Parts: sequence; structure tokens; C-alpha cells
Amino acid sequence: GENVEQHPSTLSVQEGDSAVIKCTYSDSASNYFPWYKQELGKGPQLIIDIRSNVGEKKDQRIAVTLNKTAKHFSLHITETQPEDSAVYFCAAKEGNNDMRFGAGTRLTVKP
Amino acid sequence: DAGVIQSPRHEVTEMGQEVTLRCKPISGHNSLFWYRQTMMRGLELLIYFNNNVPIDDSGMPEDRFSAKMPNASFSTLKIQPSEPRDSAVYFCASSSGHITEAFFGQGTRLTVV
Repeated sequence: GENVEQHPSTLSVQEGDSAVIKCTYSDSASNYFPWYKQELGKGPQLIIDIRSNVGEKKDQRIAVTLNKTAKHFSLHITETQPEDSAVYFCAAKEGNNDMRFGAGTRLTVKP
Repeated sequence: DAGVIQSPRHEVTEMGQEVTLRCKPISGHNSLFWYRQTMMRGLELLIYFNNNVPIDDSGMPEDRFSAKMPNASFSTLKIQPSEPRDSAVYFCASSSGHITEAFFGQGTRLTVV
């Protein structure tokens, strides 16, 4: 089955700096790669996703890149703000099958 | 739509008791997932259903865990008998189609004492 690895497990940045979180996956058939943000006491919520026919996608301060050959994808947050502080999860999915998550990255943005 | 609805939000039970967690997926979604979240193991997929049929339950820890989806609008995750190591936050999520996001409920925080 699919195995998703995520790094780093914790990340601390100064407000205004950029943050990058990286994930690798094992199943070359995976074709959907979402990123979720989880705030304390809440369920994970989708912030951005990318499909395998696209190499990069951007939504305001958030961007995701995908390298299918190397089987890795990354989340980039620019101009970080304190409200970006949360746990971020990457995931990989193939077709109508299950969605497997990385272990999560706890991002802290210091004002 | 109110989103994925889980109940109860919090459950405290004694070891050995039966626990039933409930989930109402988003109307029209045909896939439903049960996840368990702990500090040590992160988000683990327990089981998922497509069109009410269990597809993969390899993540279910042991026979004490069972899940059902009697219809498209309701699913249960049952633990019998419960043990302290089952303490975790249990999430239900639903999605539609082949390549779409999964929407998560607010989770049920289970504490077994």
C-alpha cells in the first residue's frame, strides 16, 4: 500500500519568512495530493491540492509543487503569519482508493 | 450542508465497556473513511467504505474494532471491549468521486480509563 513520509516534524519560522514542508510517497499510481491544516481541537481542513497532471499550483501565499518522477511534493507558504501556526499534513491518494497521510508538521510562526 | 457530523464529541468510558462512535457523511458523498489520531502514530486510516461497502479494513487494530455503514448517510465505529490504549481522537471523513478532497468531521475524543 501507499506510504507517505513527511519532513520536518516541527518547523519554527519568524513572521514574514517562508516555510517549506516536504513529502515523499511510494505508490507511483497515486494521482491526487492534498495538503491539510489542522488547528487545535478541530479536524483537518484542505488548504490546497494538486493532481498528477500538474507540476505546480499556487493560491495566494500557498503553493504546492509535485515531482512525479522523484515521487515527492512540497508545500510552500510565503510571508508567514502567526495564524499560519498549526499542524500540516500531506496525503496521497490513487483513484477511488484510500487516502494515506504523512505524520504531520507542527509549524510555529513567531511574531 | 452542515459538513461531516460526528457524535459524540467527547466520550469517557471505563475499560471493558462498549463504545460506539457515529458519523453522518456529507450528502451525496460515496466514500467514507475512519481515521484514528494519536501523538505517537499520527493519522491512521482504520477503514474506508465506497458506496456503503467496506473496501479496506487492514488498518483496524484488532477484532475489538468493527465498523458498519448500513446506508449512505450513516456509519458507526464500535470498540468492544474498550482498552486504555484505544484513547485517541477518531475522525470520520467523506469524499465524492475519484480524485477529490476528503472532508473531515470535528472528531470524537475518546478516553478509556
